[in-house]
Amino acid sequence: QSVLTQPPSVSAAPGQKVTISCSGTSSNIGNNYVSWYQQLPGTAPKLLIYEDYKRPSGIPDRFSGSKSATSATLGITGLQTGDEADYYCATWDDTLSAVMFGGGTNLTVL
Amino acid sequence: EVQLVQSGAEVKKPGESLKISCKVSGYSFTSYWIGWVRQMPGKGLEWMGIIYPGDSDTTYSPPFQGQVTFSADKSINTAYLQWSRLRASDTAIYYCARRHEGTDTLDIWGQGTMVTVSS
Repeated sequence: QSVLTQPPSVSAAPGQKVTISCSGTSSNIGNNYVSWYQQLPGTAPKLLIYEDYKRPSGIPDRFSGSKSATSATLGITGLQTGDEADYYCATWDDTLSAVMFGGGTNLTVL
Repeated sequence: EVQLVQSGAEVKKPGESLKISCKVSGYSFTSYWIGWVRQMPGKGLEWMGIIYPGDSDTTYSPPFQGQVTFSADKSINTAYLQWSRLRASDTAIYYCARRHEGTDTLDIWGQGTMVTVSS
């Protein structure tokens, strides 16, 4: 069981917006940057968001990140079937002295 | 183009040793930390730790300390993850990834190496 809590699954229709939450504590999210990763079926994870809200080059602005206190949120607008994937949040945990990943959220685009 | 290319799938027996590789290109190998991540079948991602190829400094996640060893060969721009005695519970996909400068973010990932340990 991860110290970062994500909903196991979310779903929305094509073209709609979805948000994925990541809940932590003051020893992780509350004191460190959050990253988000997308893992398409059968592929390696890919960085979507780093330092809470920054997007690497090549990541469309349909993907956004935000953070408030001990929770972070990934937002995806204009959903496409190609967005169906597992999404993971991650951050350093000061108590555990390691990067922790959330349990992952499976996105279904209905 | 920055690339991390990992070695191929392995099938091993319990108790055997194994060393898998991650060859990088497109950037200065000795200037960025390399991280290792485990993904057990049907499960999520687990951060195993990192190595700095410049001086082989390492940080292991506590659950993996003493269970695996990270190393790097600067002459061939390759990082390694090794086990001295495999267990069935080591069956997983292992990813290497470059750590983004100054952060804990893993920005470029290898394709993964599937390790199967079975008698």
